[in-house]
Amino acid sequence: AQKITQTQPGMFVQEKEAVTLDCTYDTSDPSYGLFWYKQPSSGEMIFLIYQGSYDQQNATEGRYSLNFQKARKSANLVISASQLGDSAMYFCAMREALNYGGSQGNLIFGKGTKLSVKP
Amino acid sequence: EAGVAQSPRYKIIEKRQSVAFWCNPISGHATLYWYQQILGQGPKLLIQFQNNGVVDDSQLPKDRFSAERLKGVDSTLKIQPAKLEDSAVYLCASSLEHPITGTQETQYFGPGTRLLVL
Repeated sequence: AQKITQTQPGMFVQEKEAVTLDCTYDTSDPSYGLFWYKQPSSGEMIFLIYQGSYDQQNATEGRYSLNFQKARKSANLVISASQLGDSAMYFCAMREALNYGGSQGNLIFGKGTKLSVKP
Repeated sequence: EAGVAQSPRYKIIEKRQSVAFWCNPISGHATLYWYQQILGQGPKLLIQFQNNGVVDDSQLPKDRFSAERLKGVDSTLKIQPAKLEDSAVYLCASSLEHPITGTQETQYFGPGTRLLVL
């Protein structure tokens, strides 16, 4: 079973509007972290926002906020006031804390959502 | 603060040739990761180093891929011989280890190396 599911292969949003990118996850680890990265066409992965499983409040970073619904195992990214420069691939990722098989800290990524911002 | 550096940015080779990628992590980051990202997918971990020791290489195709981090700083990933299906972007990332909990903090990525195998 996939650990990170991003059901929207592509999304369009009008400039200056808000957009929500969906992410659901699957884990039995009580301690985990959820990340969102942005990947422009240049290829680099840019860290946007982080949510810990024990955090009481939803994370926010500027125009980015994470709508964390633990019971539903969802961690949707909300981008407010979209800009043309927001056009990119967006990846949701999870880090499990437990040390399975010697690995710790590595990220499991979803397949991504391509966001296109229209002028 | 300088980010993660990678070179080359692009490489085109023929199948059965060999290729090497280089990564220099953010200064002070003890943990270094190599990911493979095939077109249309999210990155997949190949190998994780803690200083110069391997933490996880369970998904590294060891018959053709090798990686080293001799002095606990720079790292090299090699493919020999390359196959068509190795065409991908190879991403290097690094992170700090939390001084108290020992867990890995946020990973920061380099620009990647785009490999095309013909």
